[in-house]
Amino acid sequence: GIQVEQSPPDLILQEGANSTLRCNFSDSVNNLQWFHQNPWGQLINLFYIPSGTKQNGRLSATTVATERYSLLYISSSQTTDSGVYFCAVVGYQLIWGAGTKLIIKP
Amino acid sequence: GAGVSQSPSNKVTEKGKDVELRCDPISGHTALYWYRQSLGQGLEFLIYFQGNSAPDKSGLPSDRFSAERTGGSVSTLTIQRTQQEDSAVYLCASSLAGVGGYTFGSGTRLTVV
Repeated sequence: GIQVEQSPPDLILQEGANSTLRCNFSDSVNNLQWFHQNPWGQLINLFYIPSGTKQNGRLSATTVATERYSLLYISSSQTTDSGVYFCAVVGYQLIWGAGTKLIIKP
Repeated sequence: GAGVSQSPSNKVTEKGKDVELRCDPISGHTALYWYRQSLGQGLEFLIYFQGNSAPDKSGLPSDRFSAERTGGSVSTLTIQRTQQEDSAVYLCASSLAGVGGYTFGSGTRLTVV
């Protein structure tokens, strides 16, 4: 089956810093989604991005399906960005990466 | 509705009691998932409903767990004779036939004491 790997596993940054989170997948996929799980456990859909680039405020994502990776960019980090960021391949089932735990220090 | 709605948001129950968790998906979404997430762990797949097809129950951890989806809309996850290891956040998600991404509800935090 498809494997989804995320890096880095942990990231600690100062408020205001920029970051790039990576998601690699082992086979061609048609659909990929990025989620943010906040410290209260809520899973928030960030991007549904099978290919190309999308932007939403300080966040943007790029998926290069032919090279089997997706990147999530967070600019000017805020403490509210803390939490775990998951990518998931969207198909019959969601195939999840292990997540990147992001801590933004004030 | 505008989003996936789950109820209750929190449930504390005594060991051995039965509980029912409810999920109201986005209107028109044919695919519905139940996941659970224990503290500090990843998401564990429980069950998947797609339209009128037989559900994929392969993730249910024991026969104490069951789920149904009435009329292709609201789903209920039932846990019988709850155990302490059932304590977790139970998350529901829906999508339009698996296309266009999944939207998650806020979850039900179940605590078995």
